[in-house]
Amino acid sequence: DGGITQSPKYLFRKEGQNVTLSCEQNLNHDAMYWYRQDPGQGLRLIYYSQIVNDFQKGDIAEGYSVSREKKESFPLTVTSAQKNPTAFYLCASRSRNEQYFGPGTRLTVT
Amino acid sequence: DQQVKQNSPSLSVQEGRISILNCDYTNSMFDYFLWYKKYPAEGPTFLISISSIKDKNEDGRFTVFLNKSAKHLSLHIVPSQPGDSAVYFCAATPGVNAGGTSYGKLTFGQGTILTVHP
Repeated sequence: DGGITQSPKYLFRKEGQNVTLSCEQNLNHDAMYWYRQDPGQGLRLIYYSQIVNDFQKGDIAEGYSVSREKKESFPLTVTSAQKNPTAFYLCASRSRNEQYFGPGTRLTVT
Repeated sequence: DQQVKQNSPSLSVQEGRISILNCDYTNSMFDYFLWYKKYPAEGPTFLISISSIKDKNEDGRFTVFLNKSAKHLSLHIVPSQPGDSAVYFCAATPGVNAGGTSYGKLTFGQGTILTVHP
């Protein structure tokens, strides 16, 4: 089955720790995206990558980092510098104008 | 600056009736618009889209209307079903023909919670 996978579904971390969220796709899409969703808000773009070994900051990149070493994978690291890391994180890949989303990871930092 | 706005946080509709969800945008560079449906704790699912060269696109029970002069789009669901209850997001993009870093970027509205009552 083609699709986007994100793991784990739920993630818990202590404040001050870095954590990496996984995103894998087998759709052969070049472009991939990371968003976060907070209660009552829309999706806000964190980072995106149009092609392997290239990525750009989105609207709320501070406190996050990414890598794009393989076409299939676009991991997101939430660093200790991110002031409000608790959120629902969504990964997407794009075919022409449409983006297709993974199931999301709920990160809770205490 | 909210470039895509969904001014109704929620909408309640009776099963079988029409649901109309609205979305406004301000950026004239947007030329492709999408609607997504999202259940709690899941990723959004692509529903339907429309290019700026059209004013209507239909797919089964879902129809999207675009009024470029008013910078307004709407999603009509007819007939509404209880399974349609979810959060609906509209999104806009400059489209694949845009150059530079805007290429393929989506800007989302805040979402509208649709509840369809049996």
